[in-house]
Amino acid sequence: AQKVTQAQTEISVVEKEDVTLDCVYETRDTTYYLFWYKQPPSGELVFLIRRNSFDEQNEISGRYSWNFQKSTSSFNFTITASQVVDSAVYFCALSEADGGTSYGKLTFGQGTILTVHP
Amino acid sequence: EAQVTQNPRYLITVTGKKLTVTCSQNMNHEYMSWYRQDPGLGLRQIYYSMNVEVTDKGDVPEGYKVSRKEKRNFPLILESPSPNQTSLYFCASSLSAPQGTYNSPLHFGNGTRLTVT
Repeated sequence: AQKVTQAQTEISVVEKEDVTLDCVYETRDTTYYLFWYKQPPSGELVFLIRRNSFDEQNEISGRYSWNFQKSTSSFNFTITASQVVDSAVYFCALSEADGGTSYGKLTFGQGTILTVHP
Repeated sequence: EAQVTQNPRYLITVTGKKLTVTCSQNMNHEYMSWYRQDPGLGLRQIYYSMNVEVTDKGDVPEGYKVSRKEKRNFPLILESPSPNQTSLYFCASSLSAPQGTYNSPLHFGNGTRLTVT
């Protein structure tokens, strides 16, 4: 069964600090997708990134970067030079795609509450 | 505007009184899904639908029903709500399967906060 673990329940940083949010996943499929979503205080879920299991290249988008390592089943998210507007709950998620009984399921981690203080 | 619309945004009800939360998308998406969000538990999938008339259980389906009679709508039905169903509910859709496509990821509605007393 697929599983996502975000061990950090809450993180608190001061503006301009770098912060890394950890995500560890479990799956038996060889084909799967990993995601990060942001939920700001307003409550909506904002898509940040999708990564498939065959693409281990790290990705950078502005102050955001993602490190995908299949060897450790991790898909960590780093915010460089954090800002107050980065304060939100961040979710990592996993979707298996080998066509088995779990195809169609999307499993989220517990979420990490990030607070960036001015 | 492409969107997933949930109604109502807020709902307070009493134990045992049947209710329906509606979800509609205007993007011709095949895949739709319902999640509930609870503190410390993240989002958990209730039901999903790969296409019209095709629905499957997620991780926490007990106490819920869904139907997918037409592509755009995917209502969530609580036949006999109980206090442990007090939660924040999200509907989502994507072109095909939860992973969506490169240019069309999973789209979420704005959520429905349900309180069952």
